[in-house]
Amino acid sequence: GAVVSQHPSWVICKSGTSVKIECRSLDFQATTMFWYRQFPKQSLMLMATSNEGSKATYEQGVEKDKFLINHASLTLSTLTVTSAHPEDSSFYICSASGQYSNQPQHFGDGTRLSIL
Amino acid sequence: EDQVTQSPEALRLQEGESSSLNCSYTVSGLRGLFWYRQDPGKGPEFLFTLYSAGEEKEKERLKATLTKKESFLHITAPKPEDSATYLCAVPPVLNDMRFGAGTRLTVKP
Repeated sequence: GAVVSQHPSWVICKSGTSVKIECRSLDFQATTMFWYRQFPKQSLMLMATSNEGSKATYEQGVEKDKFLINHASLTLSTLTVTSAHPEDSSFYICSASGQYSNQPQHFGDGTRLSIL
Repeated sequence: EDQVTQSPEALRLQEGESSSLNCSYTVSGLRGLFWYRQDPGKGPEFLFTLYSAGEEKEKERLKATLTKKESFLHITAPKPEDSATYLCAVPPVLNDMRFGAGTRLTVKP
């Protein structure tokens, strides 16, 4: 149980394009979804938290207009990197959890984003 | 300020050589401590949740324990397939999970 699917797993695109990453909870209702960024050999850096039907809460230093998050249903959240540039290249990981804060988050397998 | 500190940063073991990973935490009101395993290029895989001091959880060669200030992940007779980065995390407020930097474990055959 508690499977989270993230697509695509790898994206290579040109600078200036927008990229959408999907995160789906396959077998449970995800009240809250999270988006993380991870640099090589570093831990997870929380970018934003989203609750179904509400606006996402962004961490300090994360540009809202650059990283658009939509959580339209209890099973789907999307992260759109707008007008991507090489410095946006990274490993992006989503996670989902249930209603209560003392429940573990379950993670997708991540998306490797490379901007040329 | 809520903090999670993991040690060592990296650990190299021979196959069969048991050891422990440490996760020290400072939070105002522990509402759970989570252990995850992360393989390169993958998302973290949930291992255990511990909720109260004295609690222990086991899964194959892994055993997690919890005190009021720290948690240990004991690895008994590890195998090369146990090589991964092990992360601990605590939720200080609501769903705002705080992750440690992780311990990179390498088990050599």
